[in-house]
Amino acid sequence: DAGVIQSPRHEVTEMGQEVTLRCKPISGHNSLFWYRQTMMRGLELLIYFNNNVPIDDSGMPEDRFSAKMPNASFSTLKIQPSEPRDSAVYFCASSPGALSGNTIYFGEGSWLTVV
Amino acid sequence: QKEVEQNSGPLSVPEGAIASLNCTYSDRGSQSFFWYRQYSGKSPELIMSIYSNGDKEDGRFTAQLNKASQYVSLLIRDSQPSDSATYLCAVNRYGNEKLTFGTGTRLTIIP
Repeated sequence: DAGVIQSPRHEVTEMGQEVTLRCKPISGHNSLFWYRQTMMRGLELLIYFNNNVPIDDSGMPEDRFSAKMPNASFSTLKIQPSEPRDSAVYFCASSPGALSGNTIYFGEGSWLTVV
Repeated sequence: QKEVEQNSGPLSVPEGAIASLNCTYSDRGSQSFFWYRQYSGKSPELIMSIYSNGDKEDGRFTAQLNKASQYVSLLIRDSQPSDSATYLCAVNRYGNEKLTFGTGTRLTIIP
């Protein structure tokens, strides 16, 4: 089975530009998570969806960040406008839910650099 | 107090020895506990999950959970250079799918 698929894998953009990160969860998984990882703060949960509905977005840093999940097989994380402090690795992860003990499976990550 | 705390290391262990990684958590409502391994430049991958007090063994790995002390650990027996990575402890609360991660312990196995 294919794992969680993220794109782009690497993105370098200029401050002020819009960035869109994409994720395809594992088929059959009903929960999707967006995490951000930096050296200083480690892995932080930004938002998670269950059955395409946002459940907890308390980790979204500010209004510049938005996430959508229009269907069970696709999600986006958008940053507009981007700032240098947004430079990080953004991981998408999915989970089949409580039946799996809430185990989550990560994608390869999107490495974002904002200059 | 951080929700999940780990010693950042680095922890250096000779090849063939036992590596011991520790994690404490603050939420007594935590239900599920996970250890993930992350190689440099890669994504976290699940090694072990544990849900009840005691030990759980899987090959060279043993997870230990003590809910009274709010403590979970990972032992790696017969450490190999390929075990060199950052190990992330994660917990979630009963009825909540959200996983909270510690900042990780960097482990280096010395040949």
